Amino acid sequence: AQSVTQLGSHVSVSEGALVLLRCNYSSSVPPYLFWYVQYPNQGLQLLLKYTSAATLVKGINGFEAEFKKSETSFHLTKPSAHMSDAAEYFCAVKNSGGSNYKLTFGKGTLLTVNP
Amino acid sequence: GAVVSQHPSWVICKSGTSVKIECRSLDFQATTMFWYRQFPKQSLMLMATSNEGSKATYEQGVEKDKFLINHASLTLSTLTVTSAHPEDSSFYICSASPVAGVVYEQYFGPGTRLTVT
Repeated sequence: AQSVTQLGSHVSVSEGALVLLRCNYSSSVPPYLFWYVQYPNQGLQLLLKYTSAATLVKGINGFEAEFKKSETSFHLTKPSAHMSDAAEYFCAVKNSGGSNYKLTFGKGTLLTVNP
Repeated sequence: GAVVSQHPSWVICKSGTSVKIECRSLDFQATTMFWYRQFPKQSLMLMATSNEGSKATYEQGVEKDKFLINHASLTLSTLTVTSAHPEDSSFYICSASPVAGVVYEQYFGPGTRLTVT
């Protein structure tokens, strides 16, 4: 079975500061990993995904994440936070093999950006 | 590209009535559509997976007779909440995987907020 743990349900940073949102996964097969962002009362928007190519993945809005197999981690970072980054962020995992294409989501991390 | 819409975006219904939510892939054909439920300040919980022309596969603990899913075409799936009760109030989100894309791509709709009074 696959699972995702997001450390920290709430992260608060100052505008211009580094953003680091943590995600650890568990998967019995090589995983596909995703980060999504959700603004209030909206659906999910894909920020970036890892699908077994480059371990450092760049996404939209200046975000990037690094897949570290040895640490089973896929942390999301952004060098400089903007006010518009305030939202809920979800990490998700999917098994790369077979017909199991279901996504398993973490519990989410609420990012607050202070002026 | 890869836009998914949901209708309605917000609905209020009385306890005991049924409500239908539509999920459409606007610019691609979707082999598979997924329905999720999200409680306030919580993560998405997969309710069911539907493939066009076949019966939906429900996750453990999801009542099939209460949450009816129909995936009648490659661009439309519907979720009907039958005999709704206040505990069914939630944010329902659908996603769709393109026929022509790789199996791991899912594009999400904007969600439907259901309030049962």
